[in-house]
Amino acid sequence: QKEVEQDPGPLSVPEGAIVSLNCTYSNSAFQYFMWYRQYSRKGPELLMYTYSSGNKEDGRFTAQVDKSSKYISLFIRDSQPSDSATYLCAMINNAGNMLTFGGGTRLMVKP
Amino acid sequence: DADVTQTPRNRITKTGKRIMLECSQTKGHDRMYWYRQDPGLGLRLIYYSFDVKDINKGEISDGYSVSRQAQAKFSLSLESAIPNQTALYFCATSDPGRGNTDTQYFGPGTRLTVL
Repeated sequence: QKEVEQDPGPLSVPEGAIVSLNCTYSNSAFQYFMWYRQYSRKGPELLMYTYSSGNKEDGRFTAQVDKSSKYISLFIRDSQPSDSATYLCAMINNAGNMLTFGGGTRLMVKP
Repeated sequence: DADVTQTPRNRITKTGKRIMLECSQTKGHDRMYWYRQDPGLGLRLIYYSFDVKDINKGEISDGYSVSRQAQAKFSLSLESAIPNQTALYFCATSDPGRGNTDTQYFGPGTRLTVL
């Protein structure tokens, strides 16, 4: 079983929809949680990171962490075609800085 | 990210050939990483280096070697390429000393095909 599970999709939504992307994990030592966005033929870029449980908002994006359930989410409001990409969750524990990635979810936002 | 460059961007080679992928960065970061990406498997760490004299194996180091020639340069070698090393390879850098959570910055990737 992978330490971090993520539905590969693809997830197809109409423009303007609210998108929910999720990851589950099994290692309770993970403390920092990140979301990376990867456009086709590009390297991943950091979108958001959170520490501990709770919500963090940045524009149209909200990252949510529920450590008790070992579940993290990324919400995208008013989705745009330019949001079409693969979204990778990643997490790290306090002991080191080795990121553990989920497999990525491919999102397609249709005009 | 133009601050992290990778060469070549695409490479097709044959089984048994030695291949070197190069990574350069202008971010001034001490830490550098090599990952491979396969469909549905996310990014898996091959090797990482915290400074010029430090080299560490990652999750999937078998069949690979690395060289940290300088703070700004980190090369990945496939000594004898095999078809299941066909993948997208990414270099990344980070610097936890700058007040963040050791955010990693990725290069544009090298698409390697081993026939």
